[in-house]
Amino acid sequence: EIVLTQSPGTLSLSPGDRATLSCRASQSVSSNYLAWYQQKPAQAPRLVIYGASIRATGIPDRFSGSGSGTDFTLTISRLEPEDFAMYYCQQYGRSPPYTFGQGTKLEIK
Amino acid sequence: EVQLLQSGGGLEQAGGSLRLSCAASGFSFSTYALCWVRQAPGKGLEWVSLIIGSGGSAYYADSVKGRFTISRDNSRNMLYLQMSSLRAEDTAVYYCARAYGGAFYNEPLSYWGQGTLVTVSS
Repeated sequence: EIVLTQSPGTLSLSPGDRATLSCRASQSVSSNYLAWYQQKPAQAPRLVIYGASIRATGIPDRFSGSGSGTDFTLTISRLEPEDFAMYYCQQYGRSPPYTFGQGTKLEIK
Repeated sequence: EVQLLQSGGGLEQAGGSLRLSCAASGFSFSTYALCWVRQAPGKGLEWVSLIIGSGGSAYYADSVKGRFTISRDNSRNMLYLQMSSLRAEDTAVYYCARAYGGAFYNEPLSYWGQGTLVTVSS
């Protein structure tokens, strides 16, 4: 089973700042099958990025994903108030089980 | 519009059983894999189970293997999670979710249900 480790646990930034979230896998994620989800309190998660770098439908272009192999990054170029939330990475390569990282909380400074 | 409407859940004693349901609409049901994901109170997301579009193969997290059974009824556009031998650590909000683009695995989850709370008392 692939273990995903996200860092930092909490990121405190201000609107307009640039956010960089990291997700490291314990072994290579095949075909870059790595997704990022955003979750706000009392809401279901929302797909943000898949295939490591492809924005999901309706996701603003200030969100971008990068990386390959075992190291992946979600970048939000200019934070908007609605971007402050929990973010989870997930690998869906090879066959299940698929795993999530433990999450990064992006909070307003 | 894609919709996943969940029902079931509630309070159950340890060792008991519960069945969760997820009613789907707005897409060709049998052509998408479906998953269950759970979230314990104040914790992160945990992948639980996946079933492919035909229902012919299912996969489970080690934490639920042998206790939970995922199934689907493609004639009724319904997804189920039968949970048995429940433990206190199964307490969580359970979400059903649809694969992004196809009937098999190797897909992210693009649509999610509203979640349903399962509480297991010890």
